[in-house]
Amino acid sequence: QVQLVQSGAEVKKPGASVKVSCKASGYTFTDYYMHWVRQAPGQGLEWMGWINPNSGGRKYAQKFQDWVTMTSDTSISTAYMELSRLRSDDTAVYYCATEGNKMELQVWGQGTMVTVSS
Amino acid sequence: SYVLTQPPSVSLAPGKTARITCGGNNIGSKSVHWYQQKPGQAPVVVIYYDSDRPSGIPERFSGSNSGNTATLTISRVEAGDEADYYCQVWDSSSDHRVFGTGTKVTVL
Repeated sequence: QVQLVQSGAEVKKPGASVKVSCKASGYTFTDYYMHWVRQAPGQGLEWMGWINPNSGGRKYAQKFQDWVTMTSDTSISTAYMELSRLRSDDTAVYYCATEGNKMELQVWGQGTMVTVSS
Repeated sequence: SYVLTQPPSVSLAPGKTARITCGGNNIGSKSVHWYQQKPGQAPVVVIYYDSDRPSGIPERFSGSNSGNTATLTISRVEAGDEADYYCQVWDSSSDHRVFGTGTKVTVL
């Protein structure tokens, strides 16, 4: 079955960077876009962007344009999301999710908690 | 940017029908997806493409979309339906995905 397994929780200091991984299995990795969504504690879902593992093309939400980088390694069916210049309000659970045929976010990873604290 | 507005909360007794709205400018021209998120868990899609239901989602979940409002309907609500629900669309003008503000459903 389709499964996305994300890397473990991270604790970072303000100004640092974090790189979260998302390993896919159960489908052809290059067939579907991979999205990243975050959720701050007690808050709603916030879309960050997507990467097309087939072409390497990507689209970022305007808010994250200058400080997020999404990449993928097709040899190991893994997508990555790196966020730089972390601030305390970047403390959130970060999810990866594959896009289905109707552009829904069909399958989600379990989430990765990133805590930014001095 | 495109904005989707949901009521913060809906409370109802078991067996009743919950209707969760998602308001957006001419949302009827877009495809709407709905996600259920239980505490400590990742979201799960319960309705996609306005009214399609993924396998494994009960028939009690249905969706509609017209004009400026999309609606997720949960019939014969059960305790297990308690969760946060989010609508989501693709905004073609920005090529961004947009989530609604979320609605907490409480079963009394």
